[in-house]
Amino acid sequence: EVQLVESGGGLVKPGGSLRLSCAASGFTFSNAWMTWVRQAPGKGLEWVGRIKSKTDGGTTDYAAPVKGRFTISRDDSKNTLYLQMNSLNTEDTAVYYCTSSRGFFWSGFLERDAFDFWGQGTMVTVSS
Amino acid sequence: DIQMTQSPSSLSASVGDRVTITCRASQSISSFLNWYQQKPGKAPRLLIYAVSTLQSGVPSRFSGSGSGTDFTLTISSLQPEDFSTYYCQQSYNSLSITFGQGTRLEIK
Repeated sequence: EVQLVESGGGLVKPGGSLRLSCAASGFTFSNAWMTWVRQAPGKGLEWVGRIKSKTDGGTTDYAAPVKGRFTISRDDSKNTLYLQMNSLNTEDTAVYYCTSSRGFFWSGFLERDAFDFWGQGTMVTVSS
Repeated sequence: DIQMTQSPSSLSASVGDRVTITCRASQSISSFLNWYQQKPGKAPRLLIYAVSTLQSGVPSRFSGSGSGTDFTLTISSLQPEDFSTYYCQQSYNSLSITFGQGTRLEIK
């Protein structure tokens, strides 16, 4: 059974930092592209960013609102995904979800950005 | 970024009704369109990928259609467990994935 378990959320002051973790099990983590999605209270889903597998280059991509402040990394030896968040502001207050995809083939293409694995989320509150 | 606009933002319907939710992309996204269902306090659940392919375990009353910029999610006969919020998501621009703002489906 696939499990994604986030941790590290909490209350932080504006300008502060926080590191979230996502422990993965039940699938070959090293082959997976891992993504963070967040949801502000009462709002919709927002893609935060993604890290590809090392075999696919291990590159990262970020949404514009977090680029330069957030860093996604992975430790394949620990089956763990990280989100380092710096220079936090009140707009970063949200539930942060760790997500991934088993990969879906259609029309000769492997879709890796349709997310069928989700963690339970961890709440990050940025407030003075 | 590709903007995804869903309509309506909210919808009231009854058990047994046929319901359609629309998602429009700001540019063509081919068939890179996925749908999610989210219940309060829970993580989203993937319903459909590539416009119309049902994820394993999703009831056949759900269907998706469209291409290019205009897409629809249809529930043929609403069941009590279908009252949720639905999101579309484009994966055409994989460097910047975007979601629609959501459609809240409520019981009439």
